[in-house]
Order: sequence, then C-alpha cells, then structure tokens
Amino acid sequence: EAGVAQSPRYKIIEKRQSVAFWCNPISGHATLYWYQQILGQGPKLLIQFQNNGVVDDSQLPKDRFSAERLKGVDSTLKIQPAKLEDSAVYLCASSPTVSSGIYEQYFGPGTRLTVT
Amino acid sequence: AQSVTQLGSHVSVSEGALVLLRCNYSSSVPPYLFWYVQYPNQGLQLLLKYTSAATLVKGINGFEAEFKKSETSFHLTKPSAHMSDAAEYFCAVSDVNFGNEKLTFGTGTRLTIIP
Repeated sequence: EAGVAQSPRYKIIEKRQSVAFWCNPISGHATLYWYQQILGQGPKLLIQFQNNGVVDDSQLPKDRFSAERLKGVDSTLKIQPAKLEDSAVYLCASSPTVSSGIYEQYFGPGTRLTVT
Repeated sequence: AQSVTQLGSHVSVSEGALVLLRCNYSSSVPPYLFWYVQYPNQGLQLLLKYTSAATLVKGINGFEAEFKKSETSFHLTKPSAHMSDAAEYFCAVSDVNFGNEKLTFGTGTRLTIIP
C-alpha cells in the first residue's frame, strides 16, 4: 500500500512570496489533515478535511493560508504572502473514517519550508 | 480542551538500558492516547495507541505504554534501548469519542542513545 505522498520535500522562498504544497493521501482515506511543525515543537493541526468538506480550520491563519481538497482526494495548501514565522515543516496525514475503528493517522514525509 | 504534557525535552540513555519517556494528559472525557516516533527528515510513525481496551498497550519495536487513569499518565517504555531508537517521540491525545479524530500533540522528547 502506497503511503501519503507530499511534494516538494524542501522549499526556500523570500518573505512576501507565495508557495504551495501538495499532498496525495492513502487511497480510500476519507480524512485528510495538514499540520504545521515548527522546529522544537509538536505538530499543530491547521485544517482537517472529511472527503472534500472542511471539518476544522480553527487554527488556520486564513488571512494568508488557504487549502482545498478537490474531488475529495489530493489536497493543496497555499501560503500567500509568506512570513518569516511560517518557516516550518508542513505535514500531511490521512486516515480512514472514525467508523472504521482504526483511529490512526498516517503521515507523509513533510515539506520543509524556509522563509528568508 | 484536551492536552498532553511531555516531561523532559531531551532524554539520554545507554544502549541496553531502560527507556522511559513521560506523558501526562488532560481530558474531560476518557481519552484516546497515542505515541508517535519521528526519525530525522521523516514523517511521524505510530508506535502504539490506547483506545479504552487493555491498559497495557504493546507497540512496534519493543515499546509499550501503560494507561494510568489515577495518575493521568501514559508513559512509554522499552526494556532495552537500541541505537536505532534514537529519534523524537511525541505523545498525542484525540477526542475520537465524539467522532472527531483531531490529534493534539505534546512538544516532543528527543531520545539519544549512548553507545
């Protein structure tokens, strides 16, 4: 079974530029998550999708961050314009539905963003 | 709101010694608890999970954790450390009981193995 795919793996941009990250979840997983992991901290949930609908985006800085999950499969996370404090690893994860009883999130390798 | 606290941001143990990584949780409902491991430049991998069944949970790579409601703890242990265990470990709590799989992570513990 293929895992969660993310691209690019690394990105360096200047502040005020825009950037986009892509995630392809495990086939058949209804739920997709984007996390931000700042160096030295645990991952923080930015947004959660159930199929192509948003379940939780309470911690997404909506003035600069946006995300979509077209057709309920892959997803993109965009930052525009980027700030220095956005430097972090952006992790994508997916999981089956709660009704499956699996209760596990499967993580991709992440995209390391450096804003200079 | 649910939260977890990991005591000790860095832990060093000798190869072959006991590994003990501490995690305490705060939850208003019976929690679902998880331990994830993160190797350098990789995503997180699930070590084990507690979902209200047996209080002693066995995971991969010889790790186990015990859910202690009276102490609100879910400490991770391994009897004998191996060099390959060097990584960052995250404890997490979820409110899956309400149909929401949102994970709240601790700040992590970096485990170093001394040869």
